[in-house]
Amino acid sequence: EVQLLESGGGLVQPGGSLRLSCAASGFTFSSYAMNWVRQAPGKGLEWVSAISGGGGSTYYADSVKGRFTISRDNSKNTLYLQMNSLRAGDTAVYYCAKDYSSWFKAPDNWGQGTLVTVSS
Amino acid sequence: QSALTQPPSASGSPGQSVTISCTGTSSDVGRYNFVSWYQQHPGKAPELMIYEISKRPSGVPDRFFGSKSGNTASLTVSGLQAEDEADYYCSSYAVSNNLVFGGGTKLTVL
Repeated sequence: EVQLLESGGGLVQPGGSLRLSCAASGFTFSSYAMNWVRQAPGKGLEWVSAISGGGGSTYYADSVKGRFTISRDNSKNTLYLQMNSLRAGDTAVYYCAKDYSSWFKAPDNWGQGTLVTVSS
Repeated sequence: QSALTQPPSASGSPGQSVTISCTGTSSDVGRYNFVSWYQQHPGKAPELMIYEISKRPSGVPDRFFGSKSGNTASLTVSGLQAEDEADYYCSSYAVSNNLVFGGGTKLTVL
């Protein structure tokens, strides 16, 4: 059974940084691309970033490009999202989501999410 | 990259069928066959219902059917059941290595 457990969310001031982690189990982690998708309170889903199975290719939404960095450690079955220069508009539940391909196509399995609140 | 366009709401009575549309452009839905649909119940994580336009993951009932014509994809839910009441989101792979979601449709089972 695929399991994805996010951690690292919390309250941060505007301009601050936060690092999210996602511990994966139940599948061959390095064989699949991974995604971060966020959902602002009461709003819809927004794709944030993706990384290929081997970690050599990364992709970002324009809204976070230059501020967020996705990475993965296949030896630890863990996905990361380093978030810098955070803004109020980044407030959301952040979901870690496994892709159904080794390349980046679309999420299939999702974690339960971790809440990031950017506020002074 | 602009979001895909979905109707904000849809409804149907138990046993009926309902279709939710998802309109994109020639840069996303019209260009690629990587259209997916997700179901999200309140307070829960999204669940994949359809991928690659019309494929169902194991465990998804065949009451859920996906299709695409031009720049518009559609999700049809037949034989509506109470547990189908949820928010539904479409997504599509898009040019320049992007993934775009629709704004979501709240499905109400009357």
